[in-house]
Amino acid sequence: NAGVTQTPKFQVLKTGQSMTLQCAQDMNHNSMYWYRQDPGMGLRLIYYSASEGTTDKGEVPNGYNVSRLNKREFSLRLESAAPSQTSVYFCASRQSGTGSIGTEAFFGQGTRLTVV
Amino acid sequence: QQQVKQSPQSLIVQKGGISIINCAYENTAFDYFPWYQQFPGKGPALLIAIRPDVSEKKEGRFTISFNKSAKQFSLHIMDSQPGDSATYFCAVKGRLSDKLIFGTGTRLQVFP
Repeated sequence: NAGVTQTPKFQVLKTGQSMTLQCAQDMNHNSMYWYRQDPGMGLRLIYYSASEGTTDKGEVPNGYNVSRLNKREFSLRLESAAPSQTSVYFCASRQSGTGSIGTEAFFGQGTRLTVV
Repeated sequence: QQQVKQSPQSLIVQKGGISIINCAYENTAFDYFPWYQQFPGKGPALLIAIRPDVSEKKEGRFTISFNKSAKQFSLHIMDSQPGDSATYFCAVKGRLSDKLIFGTGTRLQVFP
């Protein structure tokens, strides 16, 4: 049981390049999330998806797009990378819906992205 | 907008001491208040959580105290151990959505 799998683990981009961060979960969870973690800023929500086919903005969505491809996969795309997007990105999933108020979010191992 | 304010940013405690981390939230639109623990190079993992219909929850050495009227909740780690050295995040979940918002984190160091 792999849980939440993120690829790649490390990436270096040049300013203006684009890339997609991949996330897949095998726990049949409804909700999936993308966060970025920066020193002193904690975990900031970029986008989330409550179910297949729906996505919503989080706290810091600018510069990012997401796709909930199916129930398992939730990708994050940087169309034109900027140095300010240098960060560690975490994907998470949790079960949601009726009776699922207090369910645990499971996190991937993170993607360390550097934009030069 | 900072919906969850966490303090302190860092905390140094001696082995056997009590570690206390506090969080305050800004509105009442939340229905689930978890604490997560993160070790270097790893993703966060759930430590303990509480719902707003109770004022305290204890699991081993970890206790959450919840003050609904003050919109605050705190994590208490009793008999702190060097293995507790990690970064701790509080979080809130939206009552009418699945939005899960985290605090800014507290780096805890427990010295022997």
